Order: sequence, then structure tokens, then C-alpha cells
Amino acid sequence: AQSVAQPEDQVNVAEGNPLTVKCTYSVSGNPYLFWYVQYPNRGLQFLLKYITGDNLVKGSYGFEAEFNKSQTSFHLKKPSALVSDSALYFCAVRDGGRDDKIIFGKGTRLHILP
Amino acid sequence: DAGVIQSPRHEVTEMGQEVTLRCKPISGHNSLFWYRQTMMRGLELLIYFNNNVPIDDSGMPEDRFSAKMPNASFSTLKIQPSEPRDSAVYFCASSLTGQGPYEQYFGPGTRLTVT
Repeated sequence: AQSVAQPEDQVNVAEGNPLTVKCTYSVSGNPYLFWYVQYPNRGLQFLLKYITGDNLVKGSYGFEAEFNKSQTSFHLKKPSALVSDSALYFCAVRDGGRDDKIIFGKGTRLHILP
Repeated sequence: DAGVIQSPRHEVTEMGQEVTLRCKPISGHNSLFWYRQTMMRGLELLIYFNNNVPIDDSGMPEDRFSAKMPNASFSTLKIQPSEPRDSAVYFCASSLTGQGPYEQYFGPGTRLTVT
């Protein structure tokens, strides 16, 4: 069965510093990986996805993520954090070739400190 | 496009009452998902439809919950009777699937409070 883990409930980063939000996954087939962001009282917003190809994926708001097959990881990164990046971030995985269901992680709350 | 539309945005009801949540997916999308989000359990998939047909309802908590999708542009999630433990934010999401791993687009959610 497919699964995704976000090992950190919360990450604190000073504004201007690089940030990383960690995600690891488990699937039986080829992974399709996603990152979403949720701001307070809002629905989840799609940030980026990895399907195939280049291991470094670029997305919205300056975010990028690196797919690492050997470590089964898909960490979210940004070179310079903004206070407005403070939100709840979800990693998600779909087992490629299977049904359309996407499994979400429990979320990581990102705090950017001014 | 207006995105995924959900109504109502907020619902407060008393235990035992019937609650109906509504969702209009993005036009052209052929898959629709209902999720529930709570602090304790995080984001849970309740049920999803593909081409208006329920595919996986294994996340529906119990028989008090039911969902329908009578056409491609409308779905409902009904709770009857409602209980205080049903209090949560309920999200609807839609996507275009079948030809690739398309991402899901979420509505703003319905915040349900059962007293």
C-alpha cells in the first residue's frame, strides 16, 4: 500500500534563510508526488508535482522539490524564506498506474520568523 | 474558471439533524473527492468518484454518511443523523484523470459544527 511520511510536525526558519520540509514515501510502482500548501481557513493549493524526468521540480511561489529515488524522498525547498510562506504544507503520493487516489501526509507547519 | 465551489461555507447544527454539503467541481474534471480535516486525524479521504461513479468509499466513517454525484457538475455529502464528533472541515476536490496523474484542486471547504 502507498504511504507518505512527513517526519516534522513543525519547522521554524528565519526569514531570508533557506527552508526544507521533508517528505518520504512508499509505493509499489512508480511514484507520482505532489506538494500542497494550506493557508488558514483555506483549501489546499497545489504547489508542484513530480511525475518523471528531471529530479528537481520547480513550482509556485519560488518553491522547488527534489526527487530522490534511492532515499524515497521528495523534500520541499526554497532558497530564501518569506514570512508569507508560513502555512501548513502537505506532501502527497499516488502509485502510478493504479487508481486516482492520492495519499496525503499529516502535514508540516512552517513558521517563518521575522 | 471559478474553481471548485462548496456550499455552505459554514454550518452549525444540532446533534441528530441531517446535514447536506454541496460541491460543484471544475468544469471538465472527471474525478471528485470528498475529504474531512480535523486536528486529531488530519486530512482523510472519505470517498471519490470517477465519471460520476463511486470508486472507493472505504473512508466513509459509517452508515450515517452518504455521498452522491447525480451528474458531472454536482455532488453532495450527507450526514444523517449528525453527531458532535462529525465536527470538522469538509473539503471537496476535483481533478482530470485517466490520461495522467493530474493534481487535485480543492474547494474552500465547509466548516461543520455539530452541537
